[in-house]
Amino acid sequence: QQQVKQSPQSLIVQKGGISIINCAYENTAFDYFPWYQQFPGKGPALLIAIRPDVSEKKEGRFTISFNKSAKQFSLHIMDSQPGDSATYFCAAYTTSGTYKYIFGTGTRLKVLA
Amino acid sequence: DSGVTQTPKHLITATGQRVTLRCSPRSGDLSVYWYQQSLDQGLQFLIQYYNGEERAKGNILERFSAQQFPDLHSELNLSSLELGDSALYFCASSHPAGVVNQPQHFGDGTRLSIL
Repeated sequence: QQQVKQSPQSLIVQKGGISIINCAYENTAFDYFPWYQQFPGKGPALLIAIRPDVSEKKEGRFTISFNKSAKQFSLHIMDSQPGDSATYFCAAYTTSGTYKYIFGTGTRLKVLA
Repeated sequence: DSGVTQTPKHLITATGQRVTLRCSPRSGDLSVYWYQQSLDQGLQFLIQYYNGEERAKGNILERFSAQQFPDLHSELNLSSLELGDSALYFCASSHPAGVVNQPQHFGDGTRLSIL
């Protein structure tokens, strides 16, 4: 019940294409859903985040779509660029009752030039 | 630059030894989090401190311990090291925010190699 399932494990996209990464959770107590981007040799960096009272959030080329009833959320990268090549992690946080910070297993994205 | 500083960047030691990893959070952040990242397990939450007190525990082994000092820096102590403890250890910090979750800002990690 504490897992966050992330797919796909790896993704190859042509430059200019759309990259889509999906996550699913089970614990309805999660109340904050961030996405992190990690480059080799660096720590994860916050990319974009959403709270469950919102169905979509867009920041530049990055969009989170959130489906509360299905307990799923996804990251869409529009007009993907080679510089977007990195590992992406979804996460789910809750401070309801006990504090939990659960990360997905990561998606390695490669954008071909 | 996230503003979170971790030292050392690399650590090589042997089984059975003890090491200490250090983290300085971003200025003004009261919460510090420790994570372990290994190839087969992804990013695993270990423990959180808030203003010097333990706030949450994740998958932290009994051989591991942490503390947060009055100046808000934190240390993660790993003892009786095993080969399986080889991993990247990340520290993150966040702005104090009551019951509302806030984004965490990660350091660049300490790579621990057990020989």
